[in-house]
Amino acid sequence: SQQGEEDPQALSIQEGENATMNCSYKTSINNLQWYRQNSGRGLVHLILIRSNEREKHSGRLRVTLDTSKKSSSLLITASRAADTASYFCATDTNAGKSTFGDGTTLTVKP
Amino acid sequence: NAGVTQTPKFQVLKTGQSMTLQCAQDMNHEYMSWYRQDPGMGLRLIHYSVGAGITDQGEVPNGYNVSRSTTEDFPLRLLSAAPSQTSVYFCASSYASGIAYEQYFGPGTRLTVT
Repeated sequence: SQQGEEDPQALSIQEGENATMNCSYKTSINNLQWYRQNSGRGLVHLILIRSNEREKHSGRLRVTLDTSKKSSSLLITASRAADTASYFCATDTNAGKSTFGDGTTLTVKP
Repeated sequence: NAGVTQTPKFQVLKTGQSMTLQCAQDMNHEYMSWYRQDPGMGLRLIHYSVGAGITDQGEVPNGYNVSRSTTEDFPLRLLSAAPSQTSVYFCASSYASGIAYEQYFGPGTRLTVT
């Protein structure tokens, strides 16, 4: 069964708006990662947050982690059409073994 | 660096045929994994390896075999293809950095079993 579940399944916004997607998981984790997948391509790593961290920034990305609620959120600020993609969270409990959610499909309209 | 490479990009098999999906990485990563992605879904782990000579099963290992004789290569073998194995297959590799690591993905192999 999937460890991580993203919400919403699909999100459509206008260019310039912020996009927020959430990830919930079931068991204790070492860290949580977010990946992006453009249509028909492989996944690209965006950001990693360790279990002892609460917030992390990378450019226009902001990730939060609440281990008490077993949830994480990914915020993309000032979105661009090029941000259109699917976004996945992956939870890591053992080295080399990640569990992915089903993803949020983001559409940014120009 | 080429990163993670996968061959072939596309493959059509008939039910019962066998084949090997190739994966290679040139980053000297210890960890390598195989995932499958069905339409509209996330990735499910098939098999993974924490180093040459060491492999383990993931979430959906049935019907697949792997071996890891070198650090660079991690082939995935389909023993007797079934239509349920129609999917996109991704290979990934990662380094170890304490308890945290990021995975580098190949471009994928799109497999259709008729």
